[in-house]
Amino acid sequence: AQKITQTQPGMFVQEKEAVTLDCTYDTSDQSYGLFWYKQPSSGEMIFLIYQGSYDEQNATEGRYSLNFQKARKSANLVISASQLGDSAMYFCAMREAGYSSASKIIFGSGTRLSIRP
Amino acid sequence: EAQVTQNPRYLITVTGKKLTVTCSQNMNHEYMSWYRQDPGLGLRQIYYSMNVEVTDKGDVPEGYKVSRKEKRNFPLILESPSPNQTSLYFCASSLSQGPGTEAFFGQGTRLTVV
Repeated sequence: AQKITQTQPGMFVQEKEAVTLDCTYDTSDQSYGLFWYKQPSSGEMIFLIYQGSYDEQNATEGRYSLNFQKARKSANLVISASQLGDSAMYFCAMREAGYSSASKIIFGSGTRLSIRP
Repeated sequence: EAQVTQNPRYLITVTGKKLTVTCSQNMNHEYMSWYRQDPGLGLRQIYYSMNVEVTDKGDVPEGYKVSRKEKRNFPLILESPSPNQTSLYFCASSLSQGPGTEAFFGQGTRLTVV
């Protein structure tokens, strides 16, 4: 069964430092997508970055990059030069191809990131 | 502007009083779903719909109903709310259900059942 594991419930990081948020996943599908979402204190879900299972290069979006290690089934989010506005809850998520049934997005339990000035 | 709109944003209700949370998207998306978010559990899918008149249960459907009479709308109905349904609810839509398809989320509805 598909599963997402985020082992860091909370993290504190100094402003301007880089931070890595861990995510491991479990799936028996060969085709799947991995997502990271940011949830600030206001509550909305903001899409950050996507990595496809067949993508050979790690995805990057501005200060965000996804460290994709397929053999280890890990999809860590790296935020370079953290800013105070990065303080939020971060969710790792996965979507399988869904050949036999509807494909849903499943989420990890989240990591609360706090940036210290 | 492409968006998913949920209403209301905040709701406090009493046990047993039927309520509906509305969800509407303007992107002509086929796939819509409802999630609830609880501390330490992340987001869990309640119900989903692959198209008009096609709905199915997610992981935590007990106590909820949905309908999809029009492509753009996907309301969540709590016929007899109970305190354990106090949660943050999200509606999401996506163009399809392919693995690379991003989900767009509504602003969330914070429901408290007393």
